Amino acid sequence: GQSLEQPSEVTAVEGAIVQINCTYQTSGFYGLSWYQQHDGGAPTFLSYNALDGLEETGRFSSFLSRSDSYGYLLLQELQMKDSASYFCAGPGSARQLTFGSGTQLTVLP
Amino acid sequence: NAGVTQTPKFQVLKTGQSMTLQCAQDMNHNSMYWYRQDPGMGLRLIYYSASEGTTDKGEVPNGYNVSRLNKREFSLRLESAAPSQTSVYFCASSESGGNSYYEQYFGPGTRLTVT
Repeated sequence: GQSLEQPSEVTAVEGAIVQINCTYQTSGFYGLSWYQQHDGGAPTFLSYNALDGLEETGRFSSFLSRSDSYGYLLLQELQMKDSASYFCAGPGSARQLTFGSGTQLTVLP
Repeated sequence: NAGVTQTPKFQVLKTGQSMTLQCAQDMNHNSMYWYRQDPGMGLRLIYYSASEGTTDKGEVPNGYNVSRLNKREFSLRLESAAPSQTSVYFCASSESGGNSYYEQYFGPGTRLTVT
């Protein structure tokens, strides 16, 4: 089975850097995805790490360490519009995704 | 391209009523999914369809049925609604094969209240 844990809330100021961690317990792990969801909106795909290391997409980066059962999403040059919930997602059974419970990021001016 | 569309956007049901949530995608994806999201929680998979003609149970299938009508459409039916089914329902789709399921595209959601 798959269990993913992430902090429930993170607060940072505009222009700062914030890291959202995700730890997981599973037997047979094949990667980690990240999704962003604004209040009242739909989840949108941000990134996918299949292998260990850092993946960078603009201001967002995602990291995976399979040996440490750990990943994180790094948001740089925070903007007010980055205030949202962020979910990590890993493999469930039979090509299903299992989502963490989400981290609510609040960006303060 | 509209991506993934869902109808209705909002619905209020009385306990025991039935309804069908509709979902369609225009990305030519083989795989489609139905999730529910309760306040302050992540997404939980109800049912998924790896390809046209196949459906499989997810984490929380009880009280729901699905139909993969064709490659584009995947519907979710509540036969006898219960207050515990008050939630936001999201449909999603993805490519199939390999690890494609890690990248899913979501519809705008249906906000369902059962009284």
